[in-house]
Amino acid sequence: LAKTTQPISMDSYEGQEVNITCSHNNIATNDYITWYQQFPSQGPRFIIQGYKTKVTNEVASLFIPADRKSSTLSLPRVSLSDTAVYYCLVGETTGNQFYFGTGTSLTVIP
Amino acid sequence: NAGVTQTPKFQVLKTGQSMTLQCAQDMNHNSMYWYRQDPGMGLRLIYYSASEGTTDKGEVPNGYNVSRLNKREFSLRLESAAPSQTSVYFCASRYGETQYFGPGTRLLVL
Repeated sequence: LAKTTQPISMDSYEGQEVNITCSHNNIATNDYITWYQQFPSQGPRFIIQGYKTKVTNEVASLFIPADRKSSTLSLPRVSLSDTAVYYCLVGETTGNQFYFGTGTSLTVIP
Repeated sequence: NAGVTQTPKFQVLKTGQSMTLQCAQDMNHNSMYWYRQDPGMGLRLIYYSASEGTTDKGEVPNGYNVSRLNKREFSLRLESAAPSQTSVYFCASRYGETQYFGPGTRLLVL
Protein backbone atom coordinates (compact mmCIF):
# COMPACT_ATOMS: atom_id res chain seq x y z
CA LEU A 1 0.00 0.00 0.00
CA ALA A 2 1.68 3.14 -1.24
CA LYS A 3 1.72 5.86 1.40
CA THR A 4 1.93 9.54 0.70
CA THR A 5 3.38 12.57 2.49
CA GLN A 6 2.02 16.10 2.10
CA PRO A 7 2.46 19.38 3.96
CA ILE A 8 -0.07 19.67 6.77
CA SER A 9 -1.20 23.16 5.84
CA MET A 10 -0.65 26.05 3.43
CA ASP A 11 -1.88 29.62 3.20
CA SER A 12 -2.26 31.63 0.01
CA TYR A 13 -3.69 34.96 -1.04
CA GLU A 14 -6.55 35.17 -3.46
CA GLY A 15 -5.47 35.25 -7.09
CA GLN A 16 -2.19 33.47 -6.54
CA GLU A 17 -1.14 30.14 -7.97
CA VAL A 18 -0.86 27.39 -5.36
CA ASN A 19 1.35 24.34 -5.70
CA ILE A 20 0.90 21.40 -3.32
CA THR A 21 3.52 18.68 -3.49
CA CYS A 22 3.00 15.07 -2.50
CA SER A 23 5.75 12.50 -1.92
CA HIS A 24 5.11 8.85 -2.77
CA ASN A 25 8.49 7.17 -2.75
CA ASN A 26 7.17 3.61 -2.96
CA ILE A 27 4.82 4.15 -5.87
CA ALA A 28 4.41 1.01 -7.96
CA THR A 29 4.59 0.72 -11.72
CA ASN A 30 0.83 0.33 -12.13
CA ASP A 31 -0.15 3.07 -9.67
CA TYR A 32 -1.98 6.20 -10.75
CA ILE A 33 -1.89 9.45 -8.78
CA THR A 34 -5.21 11.01 -7.87
CA TRP A 35 -6.02 14.22 -6.03
CA TYR A 36 -9.22 14.88 -4.10
CA GLN A 37 -10.65 18.04 -2.53
CA GLN A 38 -12.72 17.98 0.65
CA PHE A 39 -14.79 20.82 2.06
CA PRO A 40 -15.94 20.71 5.70
CA SER A 41 -18.86 18.35 6.31
CA GLN A 42 -18.67 16.93 2.78
CA GLY A 43 -17.18 13.85 1.18
CA PRO A 44 -14.01 14.18 -0.90
CA ARG A 45 -14.43 15.19 -4.53
CA PHE A 46 -12.21 14.11 -7.44
CA ILE A 47 -10.02 16.89 -8.86
CA ILE A 48 -7.47 15.35 -11.21
CA GLN A 49 -5.59 12.15 -11.97
CA GLY A 50 -2.44 11.26 -13.84
CA TYR A 51 0.21 8.63 -14.45
CA LYS A 52 3.18 10.61 -15.73
CA THR A 53 4.28 14.02 -17.07
CA LYS A 54 1.54 16.64 -17.00
CA VAL A 55 -2.23 16.54 -16.92
CA THR A 56 -4.48 19.59 -17.05
CA ASN A 57 -8.22 20.01 -16.70
CA GLU A 58 -10.53 22.94 -16.14
CA VAL A 59 -9.69 23.30 -12.45
CA ALA A 60 -6.08 22.16 -11.94
CA SER A 61 -2.85 20.83 -13.35
CA LEU A 62 -0.89 17.83 -12.15
CA PHE A 63 2.85 17.61 -12.66
CA ILE A 64 4.59 14.25 -12.30
CA PRO A 65 8.38 13.96 -12.76
CA ALA A 66 9.96 11.07 -14.60
CA ASP A 67 10.76 9.06 -11.45
CA ARG A 68 7.11 9.45 -10.27
CA LYS A 69 8.20 9.61 -6.63
CA SER A 70 6.38 12.89 -6.16
CA SER A 71 3.64 14.91 -7.77
CA THR A 72 2.51 18.53 -7.63
CA LEU A 73 -1.05 19.77 -7.77
CA SER A 74 -1.23 23.27 -9.20
CA LEU A 75 -4.29 25.46 -8.63
CA PRO A 76 -4.23 28.60 -10.79
CA ARG A 77 -5.49 31.88 -9.33
CA VAL A 78 -7.12 30.52 -6.19
CA SER A 79 -10.24 32.06 -4.71
CA LEU A 80 -11.73 31.89 -1.22
CA SER A 81 -13.87 28.96 -2.33
CA ASP A 82 -10.73 26.87 -2.86
CA THR A 83 -10.19 26.75 0.91
CA ALA A 84 -10.35 23.01 1.59
CA VAL A 85 -8.29 19.94 2.41
CA TYR A 86 -6.49 18.36 -0.55
CA TYR A 87 -5.57 14.68 -0.55
CA CYS A 88 -3.08 12.88 -2.77
CA LEU A 89 -3.64 9.15 -3.34
CA VAL A 90 -1.75 6.52 -5.25
CA GLY A 91 -3.34 3.24 -6.29
CA GLU A 92 -3.80 0.89 -9.18
CA THR A 93 -6.87 -0.01 -11.17
CA THR A 94 -6.94 -3.58 -9.89
CA GLY A 95 -6.31 -2.68 -6.26
CA ASN A 96 -8.86 -1.60 -3.70
CA GLN A 97 -6.93 -0.11 -0.84
CA PHE A 98 -6.14 3.59 -0.88
CA TYR A 99 -4.17 5.61 1.63
CA PHE A 100 -5.61 9.09 2.16
CA GLY A 101 -3.15 10.41 4.69
CA THR A 102 -3.91 13.62 6.55
CA GLY A 103 -4.04 15.80 3.46
CA THR A 104 -3.04 19.45 3.06
CA SER A 105 -5.32 22.08 4.53
CA LEU A 106 -5.27 25.07 2.17
CA THR A 107 -6.51 28.42 3.46
CA VAL A 108 -7.05 31.18 0.92
CA ILE A 109 -6.75 34.64 2.43
CA PRO A 110 -8.58 37.68 1.00
CA ASN B 1 -28.82 10.68 -11.03
CA ALA B 2 -28.32 11.04 -7.27
CA GLY B 3 -24.79 9.57 -7.18
CA VAL B 4 -23.98 8.10 -3.76
CA THR B 5 -26.55 8.52 -1.00
CA GLN B 6 -26.17 7.72 2.69
CA THR B 7 -28.65 7.41 5.53
CA PRO B 8 -28.93 8.58 8.20
CA LYS B 9 -27.12 11.91 8.10
CA PHE B 10 -26.65 12.01 11.85
CA GLN B 11 -27.08 9.45 14.64
CA VAL B 12 -26.50 9.33 18.38
CA LEU B 13 -26.04 5.92 20.00
CA LYS B 14 -25.40 4.70 23.50
CA THR B 15 -22.49 2.36 24.13
CA GLY B 16 -23.51 -1.20 23.28
CA GLN B 17 -26.32 -0.28 20.90
CA SER B 18 -26.29 -1.51 17.33
CA MET B 19 -27.11 0.22 14.08
CA THR B 20 -26.72 -0.08 10.33
CA LEU B 21 -25.51 2.68 8.06
CA GLN B 22 -27.01 2.53 4.61
CA CYS B 23 -25.34 3.42 1.32
CA ALA B 24 -26.64 3.26 -2.23
CA GLN B 25 -25.25 4.30 -5.60
CA ASP B 26 -27.06 4.64 -8.91
CA MET B 27 -24.01 4.75 -11.19
CA ASN B 28 -23.79 0.99 -11.76
CA HIS B 29 -20.31 0.83 -10.23
CA ASN B 30 -18.89 -2.52 -9.17
CA SER B 31 -16.67 -1.35 -6.32
CA MET B 32 -17.93 0.25 -3.12
CA TYR B 33 -16.15 1.40 0.04
CA TRP B 34 -16.72 2.41 3.63
CA TYR B 35 -14.35 4.92 5.27
CA ARG B 36 -14.26 6.62 8.62
CA GLN B 37 -12.84 10.07 9.23
CA ASP B 38 -11.90 11.23 12.71
CA PRO B 39 -11.45 14.95 13.50
CA GLY B 40 -8.40 16.43 11.77
CA MET B 41 -7.57 13.11 10.14
CA GLY B 42 -7.71 11.65 6.70
CA LEU B 43 -10.06 8.88 5.66
CA ARG B 44 -9.33 5.32 6.74
CA LEU B 45 -10.76 2.36 4.88
CA ILE B 46 -13.00 0.07 6.94
CA TYR B 47 -14.28 -2.43 4.38
CA TYR B 48 -14.67 -2.59 0.65
CA SER B 49 -16.59 -4.61 -1.89
CA ALA B 50 -14.97 -5.16 -5.26
CA SER B 51 -18.17 -6.56 -6.73
CA GLU B 52 -21.61 -7.78 -5.77
CA GLY B 53 -21.31 -10.71 -3.39
CA THR B 54 -17.76 -9.99 -2.22
CA THR B 55 -16.42 -8.00 0.71
CA ASP B 56 -12.94 -7.53 2.17
CA LYS B 57 -11.36 -5.89 5.18
CA GLY B 58 -9.61 -2.58 4.93
CA GLU B 59 -7.28 -0.85 7.35
CA VAL B 60 -9.64 -0.60 10.37
CA PRO B 61 -12.32 -3.36 10.20
CA ASN B 62 -12.59 -4.27 13.89
CA GLY B 63 -16.04 -3.64 15.36
CA TYR B 64 -17.77 -3.47 11.97
CA ASN B 65 -19.53 -5.78 9.56
CA VAL B 66 -20.69 -5.12 6.03
CA SER B 67 -23.20 -6.46 3.56
CA ARG B 68 -23.21 -5.97 -0.19
CA LEU B 69 -26.92 -6.47 -0.62
CA ASN B 70 -26.88 -6.02 -4.40
CA LYS B 71 -24.91 -3.94 -6.88
CA ARG B 72 -26.47 -0.70 -5.64
CA GLU B 73 -26.33 -1.12 -1.88
CA PHE B 74 -23.51 -1.58 0.62
CA SER B 75 -24.35 -1.36 4.31
CA LEU B 76 -22.11 -1.00 7.36
CA ARG B 77 -23.19 -2.46 10.71
CA LEU B 78 -21.98 -1.70 14.19
CA GLU B 79 -23.04 -4.62 16.38
CA SER B 80 -22.07 -3.08 19.72
CA ALA B 81 -21.14 0.57 19.41
CA ALA B 82 -18.22 1.98 21.38
CA PRO B 83 -17.20 5.62 21.99
CA SER B 84 -14.10 4.99 19.84
CA GLN B 85 -16.44 4.58 16.87
CA THR B 86 -17.56 8.19 17.11
CA SER B 87 -16.64 9.47 13.67
CA VAL B 88 -17.91 10.59 10.30
CA TYR B 89 -18.54 7.67 7.97
CA PHE B 90 -18.27 8.02 4.22
CA CYS B 91 -19.40 5.58 1.60
CA ALA B 92 -17.92 5.67 -1.89
CA SER B 93 -18.26 3.89 -5.19
CA ARG B 94 -15.58 3.69 -7.81
CA TYR B 95 -15.23 3.80 -11.56
CA GLY B 96 -11.71 3.32 -12.89
CA GLU B 97 -9.40 5.27 -10.65
CA THR B 98 -12.04 7.72 -9.44
CA GLN B 99 -14.03 7.35 -6.25
CA TYR B 100 -17.37 9.10 -5.78
CA PHE B 101 -18.26 9.88 -2.20
CA GLY B 102 -21.54 10.24 -0.38
CA PRO B 103 -22.31 13.14 1.97
CA GLY B 104 -21.37 11.19 5.09
CA THR B 105 -23.03 10.00 8.29
CA ARG B 106 -22.00 11.71 11.50
CA LEU B 107 -22.10 9.19 14.37
CA LEU B 108 -21.79 10.01 18.05
CA VAL B 109 -21.48 7.17 20.54
CA LEU B 110 -22.03 8.14 24.16
